[in-house]
Amino acid sequence: EIVMTQSPATLSVSPGERATLSCRASQSISSNLAWYQQKPGQAPRLLIYDASTRATGVPARFSGSGSGTEFTLTISSLQSEDFALYHCQQYSHWPLFGGGTKVEIK
Amino acid sequence: QVQLAQSGAEVKKPGSSVKVSCKASGGTYSSNSFSWLRQAPGQGLQWMGRIIPVLGIPNYAQKLQGRVTITADKSTSTAYMELRSLRSEDTAFYYCATSSGYSSSYLAHWGRGTLVTVSS
Repeated sequence: EIVMTQSPATLSVSPGERATLSCRASQSISSNLAWYQQKPGQAPRLLIYDASTRATGVPARFSGSGSGTEFTLTISSLQSEDFALYHCQQYSHWPLFGGGTKVEIK
Repeated sequence: QVQLAQSGAEVKKPGSSVKVSCKASGGTYSSNSFSWLRQAPGQGLQWMGRIIPVLGIPNYAQKLQGRVTITADKSTSTAYMELRSLRSEDTAFYYCATSSGYSSSYLAHWGRGTLVTVSS
């Protein structure tokens, strides 16, 4: 069974700085990876699919990279609305999520 | 733009069942698949299963097999998730979400979630 691991669990960043979130799969999932943003009291929102394609309406400061087992979500310059919980999800097999990374204000 | 409207919060006793609905509008219902997911307080997301309405065939996560049933009513563009033999650890937000096509995929549209509380 595939295991998805996100790191770090919590990332403290100042507004305007770059944030780099990692997601690792225990076996190759090609580029079958999505990233979601979730704010308190809200449902997740799709940000990135196929590892690097931004979903409709997602700002260009969000970018995804990687393939195989190692993936990265980069937020180039954090805005106040970006402080949230981020999930990665593989869909090479039935959907499976990582444990999440909380991006908080430093 | 697909919109998913979920039914309201539920409070259930241990051992009982709950059925949550998810009505789709604004999109092409027949070409989507509908997944159900849950998120316990302070926890990550767990995929529970999905259904392709045009085929009527469900798939379930192994850990919930036997306790969950996912159905769809094409005439009303509504998907349903029933969870039986509820226990306290089933307390969570339950989300429906859609993806395009019939393969396992990313989840493009989400409902707002339904809080199910299991308590004696």
